[in-house]
Amino acid sequence: DAGITQSPRHKVTETGTPVTLRCHQTENHRYMYWYRQDPGHGLRLIHYSYGVKDTDKGEVSDGYSVSRSKTEDFLLTLESATSSQTSVYFCAISEGQPTNEKLFFGSGTQLSVL
Amino acid sequence: GQSLEQPSEVTAVEGAIVQINCTYQTSGFYGLSWYQQHDGGAPTFLSYNGLDGLEETGRFSSFLSRSDSYGYLLLQELQMKDSASYFCAVRDHRGKLIFGQGTELSVKP
Repeated sequence: DAGITQSPRHKVTETGTPVTLRCHQTENHRYMYWYRQDPGHGLRLIHYSYGVKDTDKGEVSDGYSVSRSKTEDFLLTLESATSSQTSVYFCAISEGQPTNEKLFFGSGTQLSVL
Repeated sequence: GQSLEQPSEVTAVEGAIVQINCTYQTSGFYGLSWYQQHDGGAPTFLSYNGLDGLEETGRFSSFLSRSDSYGYLLLQELQMKDSASYFCAVRDHRGKLIFGQGTELSVKP
């Protein structure tokens, strides 16, 4: 299994509070991604990174920010959590070129915003 | 924009063959991928088609027709453990991997 660790695995928070999810990899892969998964919507890309300090927006980036100060860590921050951000969040990594389609996913973080 | 269409549910019996279709619309195309996900766990990579034709990996095969913007995943000799959600995915012109909504496969005894 690819060395990807997401933390926390579960979190319950209140509307309006900031939340940071962490993704840590031990594979030294260049590309890292944050997806959210909701019933009926599949996996939707929030943000991705193609190198340290290099990030770009995905399909559903509003309300989220990311940072990547080290190759191994990719942080997802909800500045002010809303109930619509209740979801399962998956981090993924891939190596090499953008055409490498093989993503390795973490085990996910279940986030509930009350 | 990008969009992918796949059936929401498919049911089949053990030992049978099932085909899960995926049609896509993208600005730029760099191949079609398939992923499997059991019970909300981590999705896992199954296959990738960059060129037209059939790719075979054991009981699973994947097909692509770029002229038809269409592909499918073929599962043979179905087993109960194949019950899962299956996602097709394409990479857009900016390098982002976009997933379909997923097909839930139920394998019955």
